[in-house]
Amino acid sequence: DAMVIQNPRYQVTQFGKPVTLSCSQTLNHNVMYWYQQKSSQAPKLLFHYYDKDFNNEADTPDNFQSRRPNTSFCFLDIRSPGLGDAAMYLCATSSLAGGFGDTQYFGPGTRLTVL
Amino acid sequence: ELKVEQNPLFLSMQEGKNYTIYCNYSTTSDRLYWYRQDPGKSLESLFVLLSNGAVKQEGRLMASLDTKARLSTLHITAAVHDLSATYFCAGPPGTGNQFYFGTGTSLTVIP
Repeated sequence: DAMVIQNPRYQVTQFGKPVTLSCSQTLNHNVMYWYQQKSSQAPKLLFHYYDKDFNNEADTPDNFQSRRPNTSFCFLDIRSPGLGDAAMYLCATSSLAGGFGDTQYFGPGTRLTVL
Repeated sequence: ELKVEQNPLFLSMQEGKNYTIYCNYSTTSDRLYWYRQDPGKSLESLFVLLSNGAVKQEGRLMASLDTKARLSTLHITAAVHDLSATYFCAGPPGTGNQFYFGTGTSLTVIP
């Protein structure tokens, strides 16, 4: 059973054309993360939500925005994609219940190509 | 901020051999996580180590945690081709809820 779902799995966009990636979860976890991963690199955290609280990493470009309308869904908006934004985008969730951290559960990822 | 270092970055080993991947982290932590990533795929949770001396085993992989040495190891026994992947360790969420990933170890098992 899929627990963290990402759509689409592959996204092709043009330089400068806004794009939205979506993530949904059936785990009812309170924390949702968005990572960017480029080839042969570790995942790079862009931002995360703890419930409705948004936490942006200091080095995340302003070009990247996120929305979490409810517990189950989270969106990543790239307002003006550049060639350097081509990457795999990973959504992950974690419960972090009671201060005792659980592991992260990752979605299958969205491969973004920018033409 | 927790710093996590892995070594080696690349590992090529023959089938049937044993090897260990090391994960060092910079500050006191009682938890450590291991993930596996196949080429072009997402990350999959392998082990959650929750205390000093914790040892977890799954098939040919065994992970351990020494919090005093700030070291976790992932030991591979009698490697098989199916273990070829990139392995990441990650430190636990800090006060900011973020997980800190190591650089990853790309493992290739050669027949």
